[in-house]
Amino acid sequence: DVKVTQSSRYLVKRTGEKVFLECVQDMDHENMFWYRQDPGLGLRLIYFSYDVKMKEKGDIPEGYSVSREKKERFSLILESASTNQTSMYLCASSLQGYGGDYGYTFGSGTRLTVV
Amino acid sequence: QQPVQSPQAVILREGEDAVINCSSSKALYSVHWYRQKHGEAPVFLMILLKGGEQKGHEKISASFNEKKQQSSLYLTASQLSYSGTYFCGTSGGSNYKLTFGKGTLLTVNP
Repeated sequence: DVKVTQSSRYLVKRTGEKVFLECVQDMDHENMFWYRQDPGLGLRLIYFSYDVKMKEKGDIPEGYSVSREKKERFSLILESASTNQTSMYLCASSLQGYGGDYGYTFGSGTRLTVV
Repeated sequence: QQPVQSPQAVILREGEDAVINCSSSKALYSVHWYRQKHGEAPVFLMILLKGGEQKGHEKISASFNEKKQQSSLYLTASQLSYSGTYFCGTSGGSNYKLTFGKGTLLTVNP
């Protein structure tokens, strides 16, 4: 069964900590994405990657960075966690295509609480 | 810019039909539909590419009107398992990313 795995389901961190969220996919997908999901706001794109070591900013990249050293792994980094980064973080992957040709497979999410 | 979904929420009885709309202010290349049940990951339902095609998935189908920059998701003879939040995701075709709407909460009651 193909899947996207996020390393933690729940995470509690302190303000100012550096936080790493890990995502691994086993489908050999080229594209990987990080979204955050907040009530009433839907899913908002933070960063995405269309190849190893390639990344592009999404709609809300401030306060985040990403790393993709291997095709199957895409990490989201909160450089200095703040309370307004408390959210559900969803990782997704897809085959590479022109303008959204392929459906996304999502991970189960990491609910991050920053205190 | 996020596509606009309507309605924000809808409550049905089993067997009733529903339509969920997704509108964009930008020209669209593709529209995706996903369903998310509470506490679970969003699940891909279908994708529509520009050309005005309609697709079906059991009793769930969708249409895409590229001239009007909108898509509609049709749920017929709804079942309890259809409950969840439905998201549309749109792409203008210039890159790999989707922009999602805020979602429509669908509740199907017995």
